Amino acid sequence: QTVVTQEPSLTVSPGGTVTLTCASSTGAVTSGYYPNWFQQKPGQAPRALIYSTSNKHSWTPARFSGSLLGGKAALTLSGVQPEDEAEYYCLLYYGGAVVFGGGTKLTVL
Amino acid sequence: QVQLQESGPGLVKPSQTLSLTCTVSGGSISSGGYYWSWIRQHPGKGLEWIGYIYYSGSTYYNPSLKSRVTISVDTSKNQFSLKLSSVTAADTAIYYCARDSPAVAGVDYWGQGTLVTVSS
Repeated sequence: QTVVTQEPSLTVSPGGTVTLTCASSTGAVTSGYYPNWFQQKPGQAPRALIYSTSNKHSWTPARFSGSLLGGKAALTLSGVQPEDEAEYYCLLYYGGAVVFGGGTKLTVL
Repeated sequence: QVQLQESGPGLVKPSQTLSLTCTVSGGSISSGGYYWSWIRQHPGKGLEWIGYIYYSGSTYYNPSLKSRVTISVDTSKNQFSLKLSSVTAADTAIYYCARDSPAVAGVDYWGQGTLVTVSS
């Protein structure tokens, strides 16, 4: 059973920078896992932010960026806005299968 | 702009089969190039991938659900469907349909989700 692990919660001040990570129980996350990142606010469906490690969708704000960091996938928010307070999920592809991380609750305080 | 909309019963009895349909607008399933996915979220919990289907009918399921899941596609109606058999209270969740683009390895569009409660 493959497990994808994210920080349960993080807190950041408005205007600050925060990095969320996504680790795989199988070892280092590489570009071959095609990491995706999603934002979910209460009562809403998830919204796609990043695909294939670092690519942004047309609607993704510029302050969001994806990368690989220390064997993990990473989502960095620079210049955090109050509206960025949300749950963030990563997704990794394992061949044909898909596994979501447990989510990170980001608080902007 | 692609839109997905889930539909189906909001209440299912234990041991019965959960059936949901996702209607796609703004794009044709039969044009190919995408996997059409089902994802669920237990109340207050994280996301769980259920499986996906290609327009040709080829499927891939979450191994933990595989024995109970069937995903099918109806290109004439531009819909795809989920059936989950022998449901229990543990299957109570919000069920989302979504589009997965293998060309860019990304899930882009999601439906709004539908809550299915398993209870007698």
